Amino acid sequence: AQSVTQLDSQVPVFEEAPVELRCNYSSSVSVYLFWYVQYPNQGLQLLLKYLSGSTLVKGINGFEAEFNKSQTSFHLRKPSVHISDTAEYFCAVSPTGFQKLVFGTGTRLLVSP
Amino acid sequence: DTAVSQTPKYLVTQMGNDKSIKCEQNLGHDTMYWYKQDSKKFLKIMFSYNNKELIINETVPNRFSPKSPDKAHLNLHINSLELGDSAVYFCASSQDVGANSPLHFGNGTRLTVT
Repeated sequence: AQSVTQLDSQVPVFEEAPVELRCNYSSSVSVYLFWYVQYPNQGLQLLLKYLSGSTLVKGINGFEAEFNKSQTSFHLRKPSVHISDTAEYFCAVSPTGFQKLVFGTGTRLLVSP
Repeated sequence: DTAVSQTPKYLVTQMGNDKSIKCEQNLGHDTMYWYKQDSKKFLKIMFSYNNKELIINETVPNRFSPKSPDKAHLNLHINSLELGDSAVYFCASSQDVGANSPLHFGNGTRLTVT
């Protein structure tokens, strides 16, 4: 079985500041890793995914994430956030053989002016 | 031209009633899902269908019955609604069952049981 831990339930940050949203996972099998974003009253959208290869993956809206196998982490970063980045961010994993996403509990990013 | 659409957006009903939520995707995907998001925003998979066949059923009560008339539609029927069923239900689709196929989500149906 897989599990995902997002330790920070809420991260407040000022506009144009950098941000890191933390994600750790556990799994007894190989996994693919994902970050999804949920804007208010909307469904989730894929930000980025790690399948294999380079451990640094770039996604939409200037976000990037780094896969660290030894620390079983997949932290999400953005060098300079905008007000419009205010949303809920979900880290998720799926076993590589079959699509079955397991989500973390989400981190609410609050960007203020 | 919404990719994954679900109706209704809001559903308010009383305990004991039966209700349905409909979902349609126009992406040509083979696989569809239902997820439940509780009041703490935790998302958990309920069902997954691939080409109209059930492939995941995550210990969901029998009161919940998904139906897939074709691979573009996955509806969710709930019998004898309970207070604990109150949540946001998301439909999603993916190209196939491969783990590298990202999910495309609908905007959710907020179900409130009183």
